[in-house]
Amino acid sequence: NAGVTQTPKFQVLKTGQSMTLQCAQDMNHEYMSWYRQDPGMGLRLIHYSVGAGITDQGEVPNGYNVSRSTTEDFPLRLLSAAPSQTSVYFCASSYYYPKKGNTIYFGEGSWLTVV
Amino acid sequence: ILNVEQSPQSLHVQEGDSTNFTCSFPSSNFYALHWYRWETAKSPEALFVMTLNGDEKKKGRISATLNTKEGYSYLYIKGSQPEDSATYLCAPEGSQGNLIFGKGTKLSVKP
Repeated sequence: NAGVTQTPKFQVLKTGQSMTLQCAQDMNHEYMSWYRQDPGMGLRLIHYSVGAGITDQGEVPNGYNVSRSTTEDFPLRLLSAAPSQTSVYFCASSYYYPKKGNTIYFGEGSWLTVV
Repeated sequence: ILNVEQSPQSLHVQEGDSTNFTCSFPSSNFYALHWYRWETAKSPEALFVMTLNGDEKKKGRISATLNTKEGYSYLYIKGSQPEDSATYLCAPEGSQGNLIFGKGTKLSVKP
């Protein structure tokens, strides 16, 4: 049972570098999202998607891009990494319909440090 | 954006104690209320999803209640065990299925 798979688990980047965090789910979920978790803060939504070809911004989208070319994959791209993007990133997925009360499943997180 | 408050921020109890936490949120624009259990270095684990006013859910020693009219939910743990030590997150669900998380209640259970 793979569920939601994130790679890499750990990454160190230099300021200005770009990288992509990968997320894949094998549950045929329409909804996928990316959150970041910082000390003293709740999980904050970066971007989300309700189906292939559809993406939208969450609470903290600046500095990140996403695309959803397939149902299974939802990569998160850091365009030019900054120390403020040092965080733990979680990918999540769920069924989108019916539009209420679907259990959302999380990946195991990706620890990113920008130096 | 919903403002979600969880209290207390942290809690230290002895094994066998029963405990409860509070999650409060604006009662408008509400679709469902999610509770998660989160251990460091692991993925958040879904405990409950509640949608109806007055809803009560139970999973072993853990239960939760929901009051949508006044905008709060309680999570109860009966007879806490060391393995219950974790951060408990609540998250109301918005119109697009997105979760707005509180900062969590960190529970430590001493043997």
